Amino acid sequence: GAGVSQSPSNKVTEKGKDVELRCDPISGHTALYWYRQSLGQGLEFLIYFQGNSAPDKSGLPSDRFSAERTGGSVSTLTIQRTQQEDSAVYLCASTSWGHIQYFGAGTRLSVL
Amino acid sequence: DQQVKQNSPSLSVQEGRISILNCDYTNSMFDYFLWYKKYPAEGPTFLISISSIKDKNEDGRFTVFLNKSAKHLSLHIVPSQPGDSAVYFCAASVRDDKIIFGKGTRLHILP
Repeated sequence: GAGVSQSPSNKVTEKGKDVELRCDPISGHTALYWYRQSLGQGLEFLIYFQGNSAPDKSGLPSDRFSAERTGGSVSTLTIQRTQQEDSAVYLCASTSWGHIQYFGAGTRLSVL
Repeated sequence: DQQVKQNSPSLSVQEGRISILNCDYTNSMFDYFLWYKKYPAEGPTFLISISSIKDKNEDGRFTVFLNKSAKHLSLHIVPSQPGDSAVYFCAASVRDDKIIFGKGTRLHILP
């Protein structure tokens, strides 16, 4: 079946604008993660959804960041009033019970 | 506080030789460890994993070693091939909780 799909693949926006990044996980996967990889940095955990449990938002860097997962499937990461330091590749991953995550190709966000 | 540390940002190895990538962790509750490989413009892909009840897991050219007393794991690739040039991420988790990644090591395989 299809892997994890992320859209858009690239997004260029102006400072101060809001952006929405979308993730379609693998069908049936119960857990969904968002990560951020800034230039030269590792994978920074942002948020984690597991089934119907309350999401783990401990990695969100500020209240400008939010995410939701509708119907236990598609997830949207929203960044309000974008700043230049938000420029990064945003990666989504999903997993069924167990530890192996399957990643999408990411969304490259550039804030001018 | 960085719970999973990859202290070498990059590593260069001659083709055909052994590549050894290292990872240290601080949380003694971690019970599952994984290695991921990432090519440019692609998402990371799972490579190999090991449970804390084992000290070695081998899959073809890839072997992961776990030293729980030292809170250290390593990934051995032998023989190294040009296609192994990528960024390698070490990751760890406690039971089914979220997975924590290291910052990655960029491996260059030299011809």
